[in-house]
Amino acid sequence: KNEVEQSPQNLTAQEGEFITINCSYSVGISALHWLQQHPGGGIVSLFMLSSGKKKHGRLIATINIQEKHSSLHITASHPRDSAVYICAVRSEYGNKLVFGAGTILRVKS
Amino acid sequence: DTGVSQNPRHKITKRGQNVTFRCDPISEHNRLYWYRQTLGQGPEFLTYFQNEAQLEKSRLLSDRFSAERPKGSFSTLEIQRTEQGDSAMYLCASGQRNNEQFFGPGTRLTVL
Repeated sequence: KNEVEQSPQNLTAQEGEFITINCSYSVGISALHWLQQHPGGGIVSLFMLSSGKKKHGRLIATINIQEKHSSLHITASHPRDSAVYICAVRSEYGNKLVFGAGTILRVKS
Repeated sequence: DTGVSQNPRHKITKRGQNVTFRCDPISEHNRLYWYRQTLGQGPEFLTYFQNEAQLEKSRLLSDRFSAERPKGSFSTLEIQRTEQGDSAMYLCASGQRNNEQFFGPGTRLTVL
């Protein structure tokens, strides 16, 4: 079992829909990251969080440390949100990130 | 542009050749990370530096791989005697202690 599991693997939504991507992890962590990757490889950091909830524009990230679970929500989705969304955790005892396999999101107009 | 840069962006090489990639981090960042990403997978950790010291190496980093950060600024990742299985995107990221990591655009390696 991978240390970081994401679901779903693939997600297709209609423009305007509310989207949720889930991330579960099995190790103790000091922080969890949500990242966005567009075709061609560039990765952009969306959120880094260790508790509670963060919001940036139409994006919301939540984390439940007790349940070892995080969600990324996109409100009023738009085709430009189409990308791969990756969850990554930094363990309590190290500095490296351990990544999930990513969720491929396609938003249709 | 003050972000993380990587060169080259693409590299095609024949099996058995050596390749070297370069990463220039954000200037004030003392930590530098190398990751490898294969198609359809999330990135995997290879190694990281704090200043010029290489503090952690993954078991993925075989003896054909070597990374350096000689002056605590840019870093190089060399792969000797490349194999087809080395084909991947090699990502570099920089950051500061306990802060988020900023990723470069990656170097896509194809080994023929």
